[in-house]
Amino acid sequence: DIQMTQSPSTLSASVGDRVTITCRASRSLSSWLAWYQQKPGKAPKLLIYKASSLESGAPSRFSGSGSGTEFTLTISSLLPDDFATYYCQQYASSPYTFGQGTILEIK
Amino acid sequence: EVQLVQSGAEVKKPGESLKISCKGSGYSFTNYWIGWVRQMPGKGLAWMGIIYPGDSDTRYSPSFQGQVTISVDKSISTAYLQWTSLKASDTAMYYCARRGPSDGWFDPWGQGTLVTVSS
Repeated sequence: DIQMTQSPSTLSASVGDRVTITCRASRSLSSWLAWYQQKPGKAPKLLIYKASSLESGAPSRFSGSGSGTEFTLTISSLLPDDFATYYCQQYASSPYTFGQGTILEIK
Repeated sequence: EVQLVQSGAEVKKPGESLKISCKGSGYSFTNYWIGWVRQMPGKGLAWMGIIYPGDSDTRYSPSFQGQVTISVDKSISTAYLQWTSLKASDTAMYYCARRGPSDGWFDPWGQGTLVTVSS
């Protein structure tokens, strides 16, 4: 299985901050990577697919970049609604594994 | 609107069997893979497996192979996840989700089914 490692595990930030979450894969994914947002008690929501394509309806303050084994999710200016847990998922090779998650909390 | 609606919460005893469901609507159900994802209490997401309703082709994560069965009834646009003998460690939220048309990302997701296994 491809192992996915996110960093940091927890990120404390303030409204208006620019934040970046990193996801590293144990082998190359090309661009076959997605990002999800999950709020407490809710199902995950797709934000980014194919490493950098913004899902329809996702806010433009979210962006993804990277290829191969290193990827980033950036939120350009945090809004209160953005405090949540974020997961990356690789779909280069089955099983399509997830990262362990990054909790974005209010500082 | 594309939607996946899951069956309700279940409370079971160890050793019991269970089948939970995921009904798709608003799209051609047979043309998209449906996947299942486990989330144990306070933990992250684990990809369990996927099924193609058109021909019931099924792929499992090695971590879940032999532990669960994924099936589908395309006549009623419903996918299933079942256990023959539950364990306390199966206590979790289970989500179904539709795979992308050509890629492996998931969207949309069902609302989740909470399975609690306790004696």
